[in-house]
Amino acid sequence: GNSVTQMEGPVTLSEEAFLTINCTYTATGYPSLFWYVQYPGEGLQLLLKATKADDKGSNKGFEATYRKETTSFHLEKGSVQVSDSAVYFCALSSGDYKLSFGAGTTVTVRA
Amino acid sequence: NAGVTQTPKFQVLKTGQSMTLQCAQDMNHEYMSWYRQDPGMGLRLIHYSVGAGITDQGEVPNGYNVSRSTTEDFPLRLLSAAPSQTSVYFCASRTGKGTEAFFGQGTRLTVV
Repeated sequence: GNSVTQMEGPVTLSEEAFLTINCTYTATGYPSLFWYVQYPGEGLQLLLKATKADDKGSNKGFEATYRKETTSFHLEKGSVQVSDSAVYFCALSSGDYKLSFGAGTTVTVRA
Repeated sequence: NAGVTQTPKFQVLKTGQSMTLQCAQDMNHEYMSWYRQDPGMGLRLIHYSVGAGITDQGEVPNGYNVSRSTTEDFPLRLLSAAPSQTSVYFCASRTGKGTEAFFGQGTRLTVV
């Protein structure tokens, strides 16, 4: 079946540091890949997505590239801010009705 | 544009009580799902629906019931609450296969 493995947290960074959260997946077919963000006390929001190999999703300074050869979709941001403190989820959808989520990575950015 | 609306936001139940978590979406999405979120486990699918009158089980369906009489609404029923059902519950909707999901704000449920 489909599964997503993402880097365990928590991750604590200083403002303006570089952030990487690793995500690898197992799926049948050609999945769509997503990163969701959850701010404290809120629901999940889509951060970015990619639907085919070598696509790069980007939003709010975050980027992730769909790498089929390494089955990965790592999330990166070059200079984080305190407002980026949140829980980040990698997810995939492989042509069926379900989204499979990773366990989530808690990121805390200190001023 | 309301998106996905869940009620209530918080609920405390006693073991054995029943209740219904409400979910409504105004985006005319066919696909709707219920997830529970527990620390270190990501989101796990409870039940889902691909259209009015059609529902199916997800990974962790035991103790929960759903129905979908309209496109807009997808309530989740807890039949006899247990402490193991203490969790945060999210409803989500999607336009179709492979598309992103839109989530509600969540319901934090505590069963004592």
